[in-house]
Amino acid sequence: EPEVTQTPSHQVTQMGQEVILRCVPISNHLYFYWYRQILGQKVEFLVSFYNNEISEKSEIFDDQFSVERPDGSNFTLKIRSTKLEDSAMYFCASSKNRESGANVLTFGAGSRLTVL
Amino acid sequence: AQKVTQAQTEISVVEKEDVTLDCVYETRDTTYYLFWYKQPPSGELVFLIRRNSFDEQNEISGRYSWNFQKSTSSFNFTITASQVVDSAVYFCALSEAQGLGTGNQFYFGTGTSLTVIP
Repeated sequence: EPEVTQTPSHQVTQMGQEVILRCVPISNHLYFYWYRQILGQKVEFLVSFYNNEISEKSEIFDDQFSVERPDGSNFTLKIRSTKLEDSAMYFCASSKNRESGANVLTFGAGSRLTVL
Repeated sequence: AQKVTQAQTEISVVEKEDVTLDCVYETRDTTYYLFWYKQPPSGELVFLIRRNSFDEQNEISGRYSWNFQKSTSSFNFTITASQVVDSAVYFCALSEAQGLGTGNQFYFGTGTSLTVIP
């Protein structure tokens, strides 16, 4: 069963440090996403990425966040200067087809970020 | 306004009992998709089902069944003869049709934490 893999599984960082979370989506998928889940809360959309550019982003995804697909396989989320409130589980997801709205997202296991 | 409401925060049942998890959604789109995901204690999100707005047939998959009612904007999930392995947080999600090439943004509910007691 193909899967989305994420690294690291857990990262602890000091406030103000840069963090890069990495994801390897399913190889034949076209769309890539980042979501986050603050502990005990709902899963929130951050950004979607298609054809090497951001297709949609939420209000959460401000200038501190960036995404890129540097080498055709990895999909990364960078937080430039972490804040305490960035502590959350970050989920990467990918989907295959272009049918609007209907895509089943396959999620990775998540990367837990703890900002001290 | 919440697009997806899961009013039940936590539910506990004894093993072998049936349990229904409620989901109410809100959208102005005529074409939309509803999903259920399971989040076990290990943390990953596992896809369970997708239903499009034009298909109101109920679906059964083993011990799982889903009841989609457009008239009440609900997409409820029932687990029959619950087992300890069903203990998890269950999320209902809505995706609205946005046009080709835009992918889709999921709106998740706040989740229902189900505990099945042996």
